[in-house]
Amino acid sequence: DTAVSQTPKYLVTQMGNDKSIKCEQNLGHDTMYWYKQDSKKFLKIMFSYNNKELIINETVPNRFSPKSPDKAHLNLHINSLELGDSAVYFCASSHPGAGTTDTQYFGPGTRLTVL
Amino acid sequence: DAKTTQPPSMDCAEGRAANLPCNHSTISGNEYVYWYRQIHSQGPQYIIHGLKNNETNEMASLIITEDRKSSTLILPHATLRDTAVYYCIVRDRYNQGGKLIFGQGTELSVKP
Repeated sequence: DTAVSQTPKYLVTQMGNDKSIKCEQNLGHDTMYWYKQDSKKFLKIMFSYNNKELIINETVPNRFSPKSPDKAHLNLHINSLELGDSAVYFCASSHPGAGTTDTQYFGPGTRLTVL
Repeated sequence: DAKTTQPPSMDCAEGRAANLPCNHSTISGNEYVYWYRQIHSQGPQYIIHGLKNNETNEMASLIITEDRKSSTLILPHATLRDTAVYYCIVRDRYNQGGKLIFGQGTELSVKP
């Protein structure tokens, strides 16, 4: 069983379009994250949610809007896509708390290409 | 910015031990050292973490110097499947649920 899954795996779209990437985790975790890996392979946090509440927003443009319908899902919606949004987007989840390792488990990634 | 420094690349012969160094000279007493790796085209994968004692699990061993300013990840018998980018990350033990700050990592190539 896949612990953290993302759909789609690949997404090719035109500039100006709106698109969504979905993430689901079946680990029972209460914290979920979105990371972006650019063409130079730098991995950077974008958002994190704990129990459906936003706790980290790393100066990401307003065109990016995460939505967490429940603890197991954290979707990423992107409006008015730009060329610079082309990257691989990774979802992750963890279960922080006393006595835990707070290990983050990552999904397989979604490669977004904006033409 | 990442608080760690790693060599950009290393080679290792298959079956030999891979020793990956990491410098974290500004680490504070509350900060753990975590190691993750990213195999090509996959998401990062947790390997091991430690505070000040050496740690071992089924994947690797982590050796942290007494002054905690550096550490070494050891893959005891590297295989071709261990070829990946390895990230050393320093993280506040009280910042549960916080972000991971990835640096450039070390690209390990295991060769037959």
